Amino acid sequence: GAVVSQHPSWVICKSGTSVKIECRSLDFQATTMFWYRQFPKQSLMLMATSNEGSKATYEQGVEKDKFLINHASLTLSTLTVTSAHPEDSSFYICSARDLARDLVNEQFFGPGTRLTVL
Amino acid sequence: SQKIEQNSEALNIQEGKTATLTCNYTNYSPAYLQWYRQDPGRGPVFLLLIRENEKEKRKERLKVTFDTTLKQSLFHITASQPADSATYLCALRGGGKLIFGQGTELSVKP
Repeated sequence: GAVVSQHPSWVICKSGTSVKIECRSLDFQATTMFWYRQFPKQSLMLMATSNEGSKATYEQGVEKDKFLINHASLTLSTLTVTSAHPEDSSFYICSARDLARDLVNEQFFGPGTRLTVL
Repeated sequence: SQKIEQNSEALNIQEGKTATLTCNYTNYSPAYLQWYRQDPGRGPVFLLLIRENEKEKRKERLKVTFDTTLKQSLFHITASQPADSATYLCALRGGGKLIFGQGTELSVKP
């Protein structure tokens, strides 16, 4: 149980275009989903926290107009990188918290999406 | 400032030996600490959680200790195998968020 999927697993796009990444909790309901970014040999950096049905909370330094997050249901959150630039190339990972197991604050991670902007 | 630090250098050990990874933190008082495994190009996979009132936690060949006085957690893999080669991340909750160390890359040679 507690499986999180991401789609696509990798994407290559041209500079200036927008890219949407989906994150789904497959076998549980996730009130809260998190989006992380990871550069090579570095730690996961939290970009934003999204709660179902409400606006996402962005971390300091993360542009909310550039990284659009939508969490329309308890099983789906999307991250759209708008007007992508080469410096946005990174590994994007989503994570979800399980309502039923929320007592232990456990988060489950997706497999990640490798974004390359040419 | 708040920091989580792990050995930045890769750890290379021989198969069958015990691997010990260190996680130090400052300016946090976490109620629990977590360890994850991350393989190249993949998301982190949860391994163990240890609470502040637990000195030690075990799961099969894994053992985690948590010293809130030293602000340190040690992660041990006994009888290591080449399949244990990966990056291991520690994480703790601070300010309502899960915050990760930079990870230690472990390589187990046959």
